[in-house]
Amino acid sequence: QITLKESGPTLVKPTQTLTLTCTFSGFSLTTNGVGVGWIRQPPGKALQWLALIFWNGNNYYSPSLKTRLTITKDTSKNQVVLTMTNMDPVDTATYYCALTYYYDTSGPFDPWGQGILVTVSS
Amino acid sequence: EIVLTQSPGTLPLSPGERATLSCRASQSVASRYLAWYQQKPGQAPRLLIYGTSTRATGIPDRFSGSGSGTDFTLTISRLEPEDFAVYYCHQYGYTPRTFGQGTKLEIK
Repeated sequence: QITLKESGPTLVKPTQTLTLTCTFSGFSLTTNGVGVGWIRQPPGKALQWLALIFWNGNNYYSPSLKTRLTITKDTSKNQVVLTMTNMDPVDTATYYCALTYYYDTSGPFDPWGQGILVTVSS
Repeated sequence: EIVLTQSPGTLPLSPGERATLSCRASQSVASRYLAWYQQKPGQAPRLLIYGTSTRATGIPDRFSGSGSGTDFTLTISRLEPEDFAVYYCHQYGYTPRTFGQGTKLEIK
């Protein structure tokens, strides 16, 4: 069974750096083709893709947030970490991590973690 | 960036009725890269359809997807009470990956 779970602070102050961890089981990020992505959703709004990292270390970022995001992996711990600098109240959202793949073609995000609501407020 | 525009924003229907949700892309999306998700309040999105028309594991056959190029459709043949939720289309073949803004299916 594949599971993912997000962890990290639920409240951060403006200008601070957010660090979120996605801990997963049921698959390995050393397996050819496997990737983990981060997606967020402000309250009452749509989903927004943030970042993606693959088994080979290749990573991709949302162009609008690229300068603020870093995604890394720790295969020994089965974790993917997302950092977002210079947090602002507009970054208040539920942050999800999800499994994807790239074999001969890309795969959708499935499954997803339960999400973590991060509030940015002083 | 491929922009996905969903319509309508809200769709009021009754159980037993047929629902047709639209997703239009700003540029052509290969059929193998279009998915649909269902999201209920307080829950993570659940994959319904990928590759435009392939149902994910465990998804009932009342859900079907179709389309090509820039126009895609999710159809729910006969609405069950548990189908009232928000639905998102998503393209995952081009970076940045993008989502539509969602269609809320509500009880009439």
